[in-house]
Amino acid sequence: NAGVTQTPKFRVLKTGQSMTLLCAQDMNHEYMYWYRQDPGMGLRLIHYSVGEGTTAKGEVPDGYNVSRLKKQNFLLGLESAAPSQTSVYFCASSTRQRANYGYTFGSGTRLTVV
Amino acid sequence: EDKVVQSPLSLVVHEGDTVTLNCSYEVTNFRSLLWYKQEKKAPTFLFMLTSSGIEKKSGRLSSILDKKELFSILNITATQTGDSAVYLCAVERGSNYKLTFGKGTLLTVNP
Repeated sequence: NAGVTQTPKFRVLKTGQSMTLLCAQDMNHEYMYWYRQDPGMGLRLIHYSVGEGTTAKGEVPDGYNVSRLKKQNFLLGLESAAPSQTSVYFCASSTRQRANYGYTFGSGTRLTVV
Repeated sequence: EDKVVQSPLSLVVHEGDTVTLNCSYEVTNFRSLLWYKQEKKAPTFLFMLTSSGIEKKSGRLSSILDKKELFSILNITATQTGDSAVYLCAVERGSNYKLTFGKGTLLTVNP
């Protein structure tokens, strides 16, 4: 079982460029999330999805868009990257179909915007 | 505003010591509290707590939740260098099960 896979693992962007981060899970989880992790700030929720075709804003959604066209994939887009978006991005997935479900995280994408 | 506060922010101990990490919270529509261990990459799941007073245990790690006083503790006994990591506390809340994280406790275990 691969769990949650994020691509790419590293990326350097110039200010104003766009990119898409891909998250794929093979656990048939209904819920998927995108977080960013910055030093001293902990993990903050960007966007999330409670099922295929649905998305919603988290705490820090500005400058990001998401799509969940297939249940197993959750895409995070940056339309015009800014240095403030330099961060480590984590995708997570979860289910409510069993007790003690926890959340499974991907290994992260380190993004630097110069 | 929903808030999760962890203390201490960092801690240095020697192998064999016992440590207690704290997590207090103020959130609306509380569902559960989760503990994670983060080494270099992805946070890895430790415990999920939903009921007060019931201790969860896994090897040398244990955790308990107090829903009346709004806090949880994570205990690690007989610490080892492999326990060195950032320990994250998160509270699951609301109808869409969103997680609010604390800033984490950096634990360093010296040989």
